Amino acid sequence: DIQMTQSPSSLSASVRDRVIITCRPSQTINGHLNWYRQRPGKAPELLIFSASSLRSGVSSRFSGSGSGTYFTLTISSLQPEDSATYYCQQSHSVPQTFGQGTKVEIK
Amino acid sequence: QVQLVQSGAEVKKPGASVVLSCKASGYAFTNYYVHWVRQTPGQGLEWMGLINPSDGGTTYAEKFQGRVTMTRDTSTRTVYMELSSLRSEDTAVFYCARDGLDVSGSIWSHYDYWGQGTLVTVSS
Repeated sequence: DIQMTQSPSSLSASVRDRVIITCRPSQTINGHLNWYRQRPGKAPELLIFSASSLRSGVSSRFSGSGSGTYFTLTISSLQPEDSATYYCQQSHSVPQTFGQGTKVEIK
Repeated sequence: QVQLVQSGAEVKKPGASVVLSCKASGYAFTNYYVHWVRQTPGQGLEWMGLINPSDGGTTYAEKFQGRVTMTRDTSTRTVYMELSSLRSEDTAVFYCARDGLDVSGSIWSHYDYWGQGTLVTVSS
């Protein structure tokens, strides 16, 4: 199975800060990497697919980049509603696997 | 609008089976794969498998092989997931999620719509 390692596991940042979350697969996955946000008690929501494609309706403050074995999710200007846990997920091979999550808190 | 509505919470005893449902609306049901994802505090998010609603074909994660069965009913636009031989470690929230790509491409990509989740508690 492909292991997905996210870092950091948690962070605390101020409103309008730039936040970067990284995701490192244990082997190359080309661009088959997706990012989700999960608010407490809710289902995950798709933010970015295929490494860098912004889902329609998602704020342009979110962007994704990377390929192979290194990917990032950037929130350009953190807002209070961004307080959540963020997960990366690979769809390159079965079983599809997720990172352990990054909890983002607002200072 | 696209919606996936899941069945309600379940409480089961160890060794029992559970069947969860996921009713789709707002899109062409047979055109998109449906995945099942489990979320536990200890293991995080785990992909369990998927079903092609068009032909009923399934792919399961090896971890759940032999214990999971996914089926669909096209007349009611509902996907079902049965998990058998339940143990306490199966206590989790289970989600169904639609794949963002049409089944005609025969590849899987991302989960663009999710159900609200179903809590399954396994306890004696």
